[in-house]
Amino acid sequence: SYELTQPPSVSVSPGQTARITCSGDALPKQYSYWYQQKSGQAPVLVIYKDTERPSGIPERFSGSSSGTSVTLTISGVQAEDEADYYCQSADISGSWVFGGGTKLTVL
Amino acid sequence: QLQLQESGPGLVKPSETLSLTCTVSGGSISSSSYYWGWIRQPPGKGLEWIGSFSYSGTTYYNPSLKSRVTISVDTSKNQFSLRFTSVTAADTAVFFCARRPYNGGFDNWGQGTMVTVSA
Repeated sequence: SYELTQPPSVSVSPGQTARITCSGDALPKQYSYWYQQKSGQAPVLVIYKDTERPSGIPERFSGSSSGTSVTLTISGVQAEDEADYYCQSADISGSWVFGGGTKLTVL
Repeated sequence: QLQLQESGPGLVKPSETLSLTCTVSGGSISSSSYYWGWIRQPPGKGLEWIGSFSYSGTTYYNPSLKSRVTISVDTSKNQFSLRFTSVTAADTAVFFCARRPYNGGFDNWGQGTMVTVSA
């Protein structure tokens, strides 16, 4: 079955830049999406179609794509950004898949 | 403002069928621009897409769960439901319902409902 691979954890100090990667063979052909999930809450969409930011999401959140990898970048990380982050995309057949998630720790 | 609310039993016995309903307010599930679906999250683990349906009536299921899952729709009540058969302890999870635009990500989620599979 198709998998999206994320690092289990990323740690940064406040004000620094956090980069979370997601890799998958179908990513060159399928859009990627990123979600932020804080403890005990439902996920929130922070990036869609690789690079687009929904209204209400701070400008410090951005997405990029290169080959079989996509990256969520959080510039000027704040304490409130500490959360789990999930990428999501589709396999060649159109079934939707989530990555395993990355725990962002703000030191 | 669109709201989604999951409902159903919080405890299901092994081998039985789990049934959940998602009630949508502030928008119509008959809209031609969206998919509606279910996602689950076992305690301490990641998200797993279960399945979705579109206005056209087409349903899509996670291939690994397809044999045990059925999603149905009641447009008169603006609700959709999940039926999950032959559950085991491994199916214990928080179940979310969510909306996805045709060209977007899951942009609206319910709060989630915890379902425990235990005798």
